[in-house]
Amino acid sequence: DAKTTQPPSMDCAEGRAANLPCNHSTISGNEYVYWYRQIHSQGPQYIIHGLKNNETNEMASLIITEDRKSSTLILPHATLRDTAVYYCIVSYGGSQGNLIFGKGTKLSVKP
Amino acid sequence: DTGVSQDPRHKITKRGQNVTFRCDPISEHNRLYWYRQTLGQGPEFLTYFQNEAQLEKSRLLSDRFSAERPKGSFSTLEIQRTEQGDSAMYLCASSSREANRDEQFFGPGTRLTVL
Repeated sequence: DAKTTQPPSMDCAEGRAANLPCNHSTISGNEYVYWYRQIHSQGPQYIIHGLKNNETNEMASLIITEDRKSSTLILPHATLRDTAVYYCIVSYGGSQGNLIFGKGTKLSVKP
Repeated sequence: DTGVSQDPRHKITKRGQNVTFRCDPISEHNRLYWYRQTLGQGPEFLTYFQNEAQLEKSRLLSDRFSAERPKGSFSTLEIQRTEQGDSAMYLCASSSREANRDEQFFGPGTRLTVL
């Protein structure tokens, strides 16, 4: 079973920041938090991952709480093309890197 | 295009028939994964290869399922005696052991419909 809890759906206005929460209260010390998204009829796409520190890349920012029990994915300026299902996953990565997906959050970006 | 490719993209078969899917990972990626996704659910892990060695299999991978990666490059997933419950999207992903991001790159999937 997935070790994460996410809201099933969220809406966001185009051009605004989308903040997607994730709870992972049972995460272990050497597990990473990964975010993937899946646009309709496509395979999942990696967004970002982190261990303890906040991370930022060209797609998004990842904010992990100090106790690591929750995190937030931030899309700073959402566009219509960001409409997708977003999955938060905890994983050891590396050779134990099979991903356990939950149901994710369906983000709808509206004009 | 140097991404992960899967063939065929769609397959319709009758119950009881055998089907085989192919996955071509990103070249030089030594890790290859198979997942299955049903409507409204996230992908479920099936099996994982590092080079040609199959290192892990999910309990979802029944005796009717077999996966191979004979030369550590492309992989095949065969389903024997298909059942209607096998209808799903079958996703392949690859990753590189050397990449510090260890992200998995997914293909577009093969959608199987069992009638």
